[in-house]
Amino acid sequence: DAKTTQPNSMESNEEEPVHLPCNHSTISGTDYIHWYRQLPSQGPEYVIHGLTSNVNNRMASLAIAEDRKSSTLILHRVTLRDAAVYYCILKREGGANNLFFGTGTRLTVIP
Amino acid sequence: KAGVTQTPRYLIKTRGQQVTLSCSPISGHRSVSWYQQTPGQGLQFLFEYFSETQRNKGNFPGRFSGRQFSNSRSEMNVSTLELGDSALYLCASSATGAEAFFGQGTRLTVV
Repeated sequence: DAKTTQPNSMESNEEEPVHLPCNHSTISGTDYIHWYRQLPSQGPEYVIHGLTSNVNNRMASLAIAEDRKSSTLILHRVTLRDAAVYYCILKREGGANNLFFGTGTRLTVIP
Repeated sequence: KAGVTQTPRYLIKTRGQQVTLSCSPISGHRSVSWYQQTPGQGLQFLFEYFSETQRNKGNFPGRFSGRQFSNSRSEMNVSTLELGDSALYLCASSATGAEAFFGQGTRLTVV
């Protein structure tokens, strides 16, 4: 499975936008880019996913580089409730539902 | 609609014993995956069941097994427990494969 690389930690002030980067240089053409987050003492939670085009939903935006070797999760205005570990995962759509989590990025939100 | 339910939430077992954990997926979801989360190894995929068949398996010893029933409920079993099996065990269900919904997990402590 293709691997992803993320910074171990990032900090942001409350109500500021946050850009969480992810590198996936060995991505294949059929790999979708998924983002999950895990809040303290909870199971992971789906955030967003995309293939080639940028994607938006109520939680976040996903910006995908033209060569697909990197992507950025954009949280537009973070609150204290967004403090979590964010995971960038590559997944082949239509295949088995096995998510390979890396170490993720721990986002700290400063009030 | 109800989310993924895992029981029990907490469990304490003695080395050498066996344990069975239960997962009730979201109604209509046929895919159930299991994960182990430890501070040292992070989130690791155990196995996935789809329509009562194991579709994929992670790199865990044979002491870890699972099954899925006709109503999509799933159980995982760990035999001959070791101290290193202490972890948070997470279950996720999925309908289309695009988005996985996780339960809150079962925290297993082996003493």
